[in-house]
Amino acid sequence: KQEVTQIPAALSVPEGENLVLNCSFTDSAIYNLQWFRQDPGKGLTSLLLIQSSQREQTSGRLNASLDKSSGRSTLYIAASQPGDSATYLCAVKGRGGGADGLTFGKGTHLIIQP
Amino acid sequence: GAGVSQSPSNKVTEKGKDVELRCDPISGHTALYWYRQSLGQGLEFLIYFQGNSAPDKSGLPSDRFSAERTGGSVSTLTIQRTQQEDSAVYLCASSSPTTSGGAGEQFFGPGTRLTVL
Repeated sequence: KQEVTQIPAALSVPEGENLVLNCSFTDSAIYNLQWFRQDPGKGLTSLLLIQSSQREQTSGRLNASLDKSSGRSTLYIAASQPGDSATYLCAVKGRGGGADGLTFGKGTHLIIQP
Repeated sequence: GAGVSQSPSNKVTEKGKDVELRCDPISGHTALYWYRQSLGQGLEFLIYFQGNSAPDKSGLPSDRFSAERTGGSVSTLTIQRTQQEDSAVYLCASSSPTTSGGAGEQFFGPGTRLTVL
């Protein structure tokens, strides 16, 4: 059974710093990996999708990498801003065709101090 | 519509009653997923629909849970004889295939917060 772990569980940093969130998964036979952010009381906002054949994806100040063989992904946030404060979730999709849903980590709760 | 919509946004019910939760996927998305988010369990996958095909029900937590999708679009998740442990936020997501035919990026709705008293 796929398990997804996110480290750290919580992180608080001053505004302007660059930071890295980590995600690991136990079964490397994944179809894709998705990073989300969740604001309190809200649904999930998709940030980046990395297909299993890709090594990284970038969107603005965000860069996500994928090392499928070692079961790891990182989300790099450059020049952090208070508006980046949220819970960040990593999720992987298994190779059961379309029948598997996403398996989620428990998230990293990020606070950016003004 | 612009995104995935869900209704109601909040539902409070008494133990033993039945509830129906609704999901409207993004127009043109063929895949639809239901998830549940609770404090103790995090986010867990419940059920998946591809078009009108019969869903994979293996992720449903009990036989009190059922789901249907009409016309390949709107979906309803029904919980019969609700229990207090069913209290959670129920999230719906939809996606369209990639150009190579595989599963694409999932987009989530705002969720329905269910409270069973």
